[in-house]
Amino acid sequence: AQRVTQPEKLLSVFKGAPVELKCNYSYSGSPELFWYVQYSRQRLQLLLRHISRESIKGFTADLNKGETSFHLKKPFAQEEDSAMYYCAPLLPFYNQGGKLIFGQGTELSVKP
Amino acid sequence: GEEVAQTPKHLVRGEGQKAKLYCAPIKGHSYVFWYQQVLKNEFKFLISFQNENVFDETGMPKERFSAKCLPNSPCSLEIQATKLEDSAVYFCASSPGSRQYEQYFGPGTRLTVT
Repeated sequence: AQRVTQPEKLLSVFKGAPVELKCNYSYSGSPELFWYVQYSRQRLQLLLRHISRESIKGFTADLNKGETSFHLKKPFAQEEDSAMYYCAPLLPFYNQGGKLIFGQGTELSVKP
Repeated sequence: GEEVAQTPKHLVRGEGQKAKLYCAPIKGHSYVFWYQQVLKNEFKFLISFQNENVFDETGMPKERFSAKCLPNSPCSLEIQATKLEDSAVYFCASSPGSRQYEQYFGPGTRLTVT
């Protein structure tokens, strides 16, 4: 079965420190991978997707197919990065309905 | 609209009562997805629609849950005879299509069953 693991429930860092939010997935195919973020009192929104290879708000994520990981990184955390982060593979539309499979989420807390 | 809208924000029901949640997807989006999040834990997929047709219902509890997306109406998720374990936040998301598949989420409806 498809599964996503985000091992840290809470990650607390100081402003300016590097941050890495871990995500491992188990899936036999090649899913599209996303990171979603939920800031306090706001709706879930897309942060980045692996195929675009872009950096959003200083965050990057590299897909490692060998390790089946998609860790989210930022070299210098800011207080406004404090939020819940969800790793989510998207299953293919043609045979698995195009739904997102979410990890448990990691709460990032950036202290001043 | 430009954002997915969900109503109501909060819903409180006694055990055994019916609950109905609504979702207005972004105009022009073909796909609608419903997810359930219990106690701030994992999101569980419930059902998806392609326009007014059920696309994938593999996550729906068969007995008490039903959903519809009718033309020119908000989509709805209905729970007959609610149980305590139905207490959760229910999120709706819409997507332009199978080739542009970013899902845009609504703010969620918090259902509390007492």
